[in-house]
Amino acid sequence: KAGVTQTPRYLIKTRGQQVTLSCSPISGHRSVSWYQQTPGQGLQFLFEYFSETQRNKGNFPGRFSGRQFSNSRSEMNVSTLELGDSALYLCASSLEGQAGGEAFFGQGTRLTVV
Amino acid sequence: GESVGLHLPTLSVQEGDNSIINCAYSNSASDYFIWYKQESGKGPQFIIDIRSNMDKRQGQRVTVLLNKTVKHLSLQIAATQPGDSAVYFCADAVSGNTPLVFGKGTRLSVIA
Repeated sequence: KAGVTQTPRYLIKTRGQQVTLSCSPISGHRSVSWYQQTPGQGLQFLFEYFSETQRNKGNFPGRFSGRQFSNSRSEMNVSTLELGDSALYLCASSLEGQAGGEAFFGQGTRLTVV
Repeated sequence: GESVGLHLPTLSVQEGDNSIINCAYSNSASDYFIWYKQESGKGPQFIIDIRSNMDKRQGQRVTVLLNKTVKHLSLQIAATQPGDSAVYFCADAVSGNTPLVFGKGTRLSVIA
């Protein structure tokens, strides 16, 4: 079966702009989680969506937001981009939630803010 | 997983040797633990998981050991191969709907 698909793979944005990233989970998976990965901070949890509802939220400013559609596809949005937002953004899908079993990750979107 | 600072710990092993990667976690309520492997340019890939009612679980060439008393997790890779070179992350969570908390990772380099 198809894996987790993230688009786009690479993005370059300017400070102050906003960006939307997309994640298509594995068919049948209802949980989508987003992570930010940087060399200095590692993998940090952004938020989780389950059945179109945000179920968990990490410690990120309100500029980071997301949503999930009825087909479980998820988007995350970052507004008013800052240089520090440059990172690899990963999404993970799972059947019922990460602690319920294996979560499958996409290849990520590499965001560079200049 | 627990923060171990800005520098990624590195483990270098000879091809064919066994590797042991260690991880400390901080939440005593965590009852689900998982190891991921991340190769350059790819997302993390599931290796093996374990629940707190077990202290050992084996997969293909990999074994995870859990010591809840000292909040320590380890991943053992038997007969390490060049393809095992990657960054390895441990993660833990409290069962239910809680998110995984990842450690900073360990870079494994296999010397041919």
